[in-house]
Amino acid sequence: GAGVSQSPRYKVAKRGQDVALRCDPISGHVSLFWYQQALGQGPEFLTYFQNEAQLDKSGLPSDRFFAERPEGSVSTLKIQRTQQEDSAVYLCASSLLGEGNEKLFFGSGTQLSVL
Amino acid sequence: AQSVTQLGSHVSVSEGALVLLRCNYSSSVPPYLFWYVQYPNQGLQLLLKYTTGATLVKGINGFEAEFKKSETSFHLTKPSAHMSDAAEYFCSVTLSGGYQKVTFGTGTKLQVIP
Repeated sequence: GAGVSQSPRYKVAKRGQDVALRCDPISGHVSLFWYQQALGQGPEFLTYFQNEAQLDKSGLPSDRFFAERPEGSVSTLKIQRTQQEDSAVYLCASSLLGEGNEKLFFGSGTQLSVL
Repeated sequence: AQSVTQLGSHVSVSEGALVLLRCNYSSSVPPYLFWYVQYPNQGLQLLLKYTTGATLVKGINGFEAEFKKSETSFHLTKPSAHMSDAAEYFCSVTLSGGYQKVTFGTGTKLQVIP
């Protein structure tokens, strides 16, 4: 596609519900990243995929957070038993190879509100 | 390990005035440095980046930044602010070598006053 696409754009969940956030990266991009952006903060790294392999999940806040990219393209970030502290904007980014000097292409994010 | 500090969460300038957004980094190895801009309800877009070579880098929309190793700084400037520059700006660092694990600063919101 022309850019990184994320859906839904907004998600309201009741505390305790499970949610799934989708990211469709730019076609052909090997690397995919998920970030969490709290209000007034910069994006915080959650996890990184190279093709279908999840190479780094050190930023996932708890075992309630799970990400997958089974065919090396679309990725889903799942949050189980949502808590109020999970409220944030979740950003997805992709890059061609994942090398340090490359630019990241970001989606518009999913704004998650947990009530 | 790497980190980024952005001084000033909010900066206000008059239209036509100089824009200066400050960024200092900490890195154990030579860094790659980036500035991204985020307009309301949009994703981050790359403004400019420093990887190697010339320390003064020019980006889109008239912005530029200078890598100063001795000061561990990568400040963003624009000679004359335009109303359309109002946005949030994020400085970020990646370590050379390894994969693209990017650390972002907390952001600076730029307000342009007519």
